[in-house]
Amino acid sequence: GIQVEQSPPDLILQEGANSTLRCNFSDSVNNLQWFHQNPWGQLINLFYIPSGTKQNGRLSATTVATERYSLLYISSSQTTDSGVYFCASERGSTLGRLYFGRGTQLTVWP
Amino acid sequence: DVKVTQSSRYLVKRTGEKVFLECVQDMDHENMFWYRQDPGLGLRLIYFSYDVKMKEKGDIPEGYSVSREKKERFSLILESASTNQTSMYLCASSLRKNIQYFGAGTRLSVL
Repeated sequence: GIQVEQSPPDLILQEGANSTLRCNFSDSVNNLQWFHQNPWGQLINLFYIPSGTKQNGRLSATTVATERYSLLYISSSQTTDSGVYFCASERGSTLGRLYFGRGTQLTVWP
Repeated sequence: DVKVTQSSRYLVKRTGEKVFLECVQDMDHENMFWYRQDPGLGLRLIYFSYDVKMKEKGDIPEGYSVSREKKERFSLILESASTNQTSMYLCASSLRKNIQYFGAGTRLSVL
C-alpha cells in the first residue's frame, strides 16, 4: 500500500489562530481526500482534492501531486474545529480503496 | 444527502459470541468499507466490497468475515469475538473513486 505521513501529530491552538496540516505520500497521489473526525467519532469528508487548490469557508486544501503531498489550511480557528484530521489517498487503481494517515489531533482553546 | 447507517452505536458482547455489525447506505454506491479505529493507529481497513457478493481483504481481515448480498447492505461478522476486537468500527460507502461517506461508528466492547 501507500505510506501516509501526517504532521504534526498534535496541535494546540487558541481560537483565532491559523494552522497548516500536512500529508506526505510514499507513492503517486490518487483520489486524495481530507476528513475531520469530531469528538463523538463522526468522520466528515472535507475535501476531495486529487490536485490543485480548493476552498470551503475558512478551510482550504492544496495538493501537489507531482511532489506527493497535500496541505490543509485552517484560518481563524474555532473551538468547533477541534478533533482529528485525516488525509487519505488511493494507490493506483484499487477500486476506490483509500490508505489513511494516523491523523492530526487538533485542540482549539477559547 | 448521503446516509450511511450503522445498526448500533454501542455494543457489549462476551468472548466467543458471534457478532454481527450491519451497515446500510441509501445512495446506490458500489463500494462499501469496514474500518477499525484504535487510539494512535488511525483507520485500518478490515474488508471492502466493490459490488454485490464481491469482497477484498484489507489490512487486518483475521478474525472477521463480511457479507454483501444486497447493494445497500454490508455486514461485518466476528465469528468468535475476542477481547482484542474491542474497538470502534466504522462503515463507509462511495461511488467508485469518489468521496467516502462514513457512518456514526459502533463502539464494540468484548468482555
